[in-house]
Amino acid sequence: RKEVEQDPGPFNVPEGATVAFNCTYSNSASQSFFWYRQDCRKEPKLLMSVYSSGNEDGRFTAQLNRASQYISLLIRDSKLSDSATYLCVVNERGRDDKIIFGKGTRLHILP
Amino acid sequence: GAVVSQHPSRVICKSGTSVKIECRSLDFQATTMFWYRQFPKQSLMLMATSNEGSKATYEQGVEKDKFLINHASLTLSTLTVTSAHPEDSSFYICSASVGRWGSDYTFGSGTRLTVV
Repeated sequence: RKEVEQDPGPFNVPEGATVAFNCTYSNSASQSFFWYRQDCRKEPKLLMSVYSSGNEDGRFTAQLNRASQYISLLIRDSKLSDSATYLCVVNERGRDDKIIFGKGTRLHILP
Repeated sequence: GAVVSQHPSRVICKSGTSVKIECRSLDFQATTMFWYRQFPKQSLMLMATSNEGSKATYEQGVEKDKFLINHASLTLSTLTVTSAHPEDSSFYICSASVGRWGSDYTFGSGTRLTVV
């Protein structure tokens, strides 16, 4: 099983719609979870952290389910500018402090 | 906020030559730097972790003699792709750990390497 798995998409969504991504992780000892956004040929940028209690930032909501080992990202009222690749990121603390990226989910917002 | 400056942003080199990529932390001390590689439509893959003043730790499958990492100071880490081949063509990104948690990693802008 891969360390971090995401549906690669692409998700083609009309502007204004709501879209949700899921991501699963294999290491139950993972400590921190994040969603990054990566535009084509650019470096990834932190979108938001994911907390056990769930967190919301404007149109974006992230949730963590430790029991099932998955995290989710919900985008409401999608904008054309939301078109990007969304990377699920897991920080494996402990013996090796490293961050593991999922392959990313490509989102295309259609006008 | 913390900024990592990565250069060059784009490089084309001939097969068999070596290429050096630099990452500098501009307003903080980066004790740990991560080097990633990203092939088209693939995820970022961690290549190695470098710590200032010590040898880099390479991920499985990454040749340490081919991808030389030097982290001689708290503000500079370099990745040298030695004897580059076309299959080394990729997007290389560095990331510095600013704090203890994943949200405190800041990325360089990436280097697109094309080996012809």
